[in-house]
Amino acid sequence: AQTVTQSQPEMSVQEAETVTLSCTYDTSESDYYLFWYKQPPSRQMILVIRQEAYKQQNATENRFSVNFQKAAKSFSLKISDSQLGDAAMYFCAYRRNNAGNMLTFGGGTRLMVKP
Amino acid sequence: NAGVMQNPRHLVRRRGQEARLRCSPMKGHSHVYWYRQLPEEGLKFMVYLQKENIIDESGMPKERFSAEFPKEGPSILRIQQVVRGDSAAYFCASSPLGGDTQYFGPGTRLTVL
Repeated sequence: AQTVTQSQPEMSVQEAETVTLSCTYDTSESDYYLFWYKQPPSRQMILVIRQEAYKQQNATENRFSVNFQKAAKSFSLKISDSQLGDAAMYFCAYRRNNAGNMLTFGGGTRLMVKP
Repeated sequence: NAGVMQNPRHLVRRRGQEARLRCSPMKGHSHVYWYRQLPEEGLKFMVYLQKENIIDESGMPKERFSAEFPKEGPSILRIQQVVRGDSAAYFCASSPLGGDTQYFGPGTRLTVL
């Protein structure tokens, strides 16, 4: 069974600084997707970024980028120029590459942004 | 294009009552997923449905829980004889046929008194 681990229950960053959230996963599959979702206080789950395992290039979306290390099964999220609106729970998720397969989520990291 | 819609947003039930949670997927999406989030935890998969079919219900409790996605209308997650341990946020997500990204609704927060 696949597992996703987020070892940092809480992280804090100064506004305008950079922060990295860690995620590791365990799978025997070679083809899969990885995601980061943001859950603000409204509790809405918002897709931040996704990575296909077969792509070596790290995904980037504006201030958000990932460091995908397939051999190490590591998928960290880097947030640059942190903003107050980035404060939220962040969940790492895994999905096998077979349309319709479930997402497996990590336990989440609470990010606090200090003004 | 409206996003995934869930209602009600908040639902309060007494122990032993039934809870019905509804989910309307994004337009054009034929796959629906239900997840449960207990307080201070990540989301846990419950069930995956396509129109009129349950594809994967490996995360559903064996008793009291059922789900459907009829040909017409929203997907329904039904919890019979609710207990306090059912109190959680229930999220629905949808994806198109062949899609690899799931888009989430705002969730329904169920409180069992």
